[in-house]
Amino acid sequence: AQSVTQLGSHVSVSEGALVLLRCNYSSSVPPYLFWYVQYPNQGLQLLLKYTTGATLVKGINGFEAEFKKSETSFHLTKPSAHMSDAAEYFCAVIRYGGATNKLIFGTGTLLAVQP
Amino acid sequence: EPEVTQTPSHQVTQMGQEVILRCVPISNHLYFYWYRQILGQKVEFLVSFYNNEISEKSEIFDDQFSVERPDGSNFTLKIRSTKLEDSAMYFCASKMRSSNQPQHFGDGTRLSIL
Repeated sequence: AQSVTQLGSHVSVSEGALVLLRCNYSSSVPPYLFWYVQYPNQGLQLLLKYTTGATLVKGINGFEAEFKKSETSFHLTKPSAHMSDAAEYFCAVIRYGGATNKLIFGTGTLLAVQP
Repeated sequence: EPEVTQTPSHQVTQMGQEVILRCVPISNHLYFYWYRQILGQKVEFLVSFYNNEISEKSEIFDDQFSVERPDGSNFTLKIRSTKLEDSAMYFCASKMRSSNQPQHFGDGTRLSIL
């Protein structure tokens, strides 16, 4: 069965600093991985996805993530944090089996950006 | 860009009452989902719907829950007799056929049971 683990429920960075949000996955088959962002009082917005092909994927708002099979990781990064990046970030993996490919989410990481 | 829309944004209901949460998925999408997020916890899968029937449901989705696509555009989640522990944010999502396509989420309905 597929699962994801997000290390660090809260991450705080200064504006302009590197953002690194960690996600490790468990999957017996090649995974499809996603990062979603949830701004306060809003729904889940897709940041980026990895399915096959290039292991470094670029998303919206300057975020990117690298799929590392050897480390079973899919960490999310952004070179320079902006105040507007403050939100909760969820890593997710598609669970195979059945007809539906439901998403399995991590517990989320709340990102705070300090001025 | 097409969006998944959910109504209402906030629903307050007395315990034991029925509640219906409504969603309009993206028009050319074929798979539909409901997820739940209890305050402070992770997003959990409830149910998926394809070809006018439930294709998968979680253990959370018991006999008190039902889903329906009554008119080809709306996708509803009904809770027959609400409990305090049903208080949560409920998200609707939809996606196209391909297995690796992302699910698109609505902004959610915050359900508060009193």
